[in-house]
Amino acid sequence: DGGITQSPKYLFRKEGQNVTLSCEQNLNHDAMYWYRQDPGQGLRLIYYSQIVNDFQKGDIAEGYSVSREKKESFPLTVTSAQKNPTAFYLCASSPRGGSTDTQYFGPGTRLTVL
Amino acid sequence: KQEVTQIPAALSVPEGENLVLNCSFTDSAIYNLQWFRQDPGKGLTSLLLIQSSQREQTSGRLNASLDKSSGRSTLYIAASQPGDSATYLCAVNLWGANNLFFGTGTRLTVIP
Repeated sequence: DGGITQSPKYLFRKEGQNVTLSCEQNLNHDAMYWYRQDPGQGLRLIYYSQIVNDFQKGDIAEGYSVSREKKESFPLTVTSAQKNPTAFYLCASSPRGGSTDTQYFGPGTRLTVL
Repeated sequence: KQEVTQIPAALSVPEGENLVLNCSFTDSAIYNLQWFRQDPGKGLTSLLLIQSSQREQTSGRLNASLDKSSGRSTLYIAASQPGDSATYLCAVNLWGANNLFFGTGTRLTVIP
């Protein structure tokens, strides 16, 4: 099956802890993205990566970090510096990145800070 | 900065009705516009993508239109069914941008 997988589906974290969300794709896409979704708001871009070993900050990157060591994987770390991390996190990928592409989304991870 | 607005925020209709969802955007320099469906607690599924040079796209009971000059798009759903109940999101892709700009969504409930 081709697609994007995110794990875990639900994640609970204590305040002050870092936590890493997994995103894997087997679509051979170059570009990958992380979005955050809060109730009553549209999706907001956290980070994106157009190629391996390169990534760019989105609109709300503060308190988050990413890595892109492999084409298939784009993990997101929510650090203790993120003041309000409880949200639904969506990962996406696209064939090449940029304006021309359609983005394909994973099933999401719901993070709750206790 | 691109602002994308969707009205209404929520809509309930009886089964079988035709309905229209609205999306407006502030920057008309878009490359394309997409409509997505999101079921509760799930990821997004792409429904229709309209290029800036197109006026509309159709897929089954769905028809999306685009009026770039007025900054508007509509998603028309014909003969609605309970299975259509979901949140519908529109998103625009700007020329030279690397991310989608999303609206806040319309939560649709189709009552059997």
